[in-house]
Amino acid sequence: KAGVTQTPRYLIKTRGQQVTLSCSPISGHRSVSWYQQTPGQGLQFLFEYFSETQRNKGNFPGRFSGRQFSNSRSEMNVSTLELGDSALYLCASSSLISGVSYEQYFGPGTRLTVT
Amino acid sequence: AQRVTQPEKLLSVFKGAPVELKCNYSYSGSPELFWYVQYSRQRLQLLLRHISRESIKGFTADLNKGETSFHLKKPFAQEEDSAMYYCALGGSDKLIFGTGTRLQVFP
Repeated sequence: KAGVTQTPRYLIKTRGQQVTLSCSPISGHRSVSWYQQTPGQGLQFLFEYFSETQRNKGNFPGRFSGRQFSNSRSEMNVSTLELGDSALYLCASSSLISGVSYEQYFGPGTRLTVT
Repeated sequence: AQRVTQPEKLLSVFKGAPVELKCNYSYSGSPELFWYVQYSRQRLQLLLRHISRESIKGFTADLNKGETSFHLKKPFAQEEDSAMYYCALGGSDKLIFGTGTRLQVFP
């Protein structure tokens, strides 16, 4: 099976702009989670989607949002970018039919740089 | 609140030496504990889960509920073990990661 894919892999944006990142989970996986990875804070949970519904959300401001489509692909959007949003954004998918699976398969990440 | 603490940012050992990467957690319910690993230029991947009590690549980890710890151990480190290791706690529908420990194994 193909692994989790994320596009684009690298992105440079200016403060105040908005950005949309995309994630395609492993075929058959219906849960998609997003994480922000920075050298200072490590890996922080953003949100998780299952069957097009957001099931859980981390402690990030409302500028961070996401959605999931009927084919389980997911996008996350960050509006009004700030310098501190520069990070590696990781997407992970898991296969549980219901409930939450903590055994997650990660994509390569999208490196976002805000200037 | 869920919290995972990995006290060491960096652990350096020589090949053949024993390795212990520390992980402590805080969670009021029944946690699921995991170790994830990220090798250089590779994606983050699951290494171990406490439920299966397995040994992967010579690594083992035992959940100690009394000490709220889930330390990762290997009796004889290999150079290919050099990587970033993350302890993770699953609970309340979230997976919370520690800040990670970089393991360097010197020849």
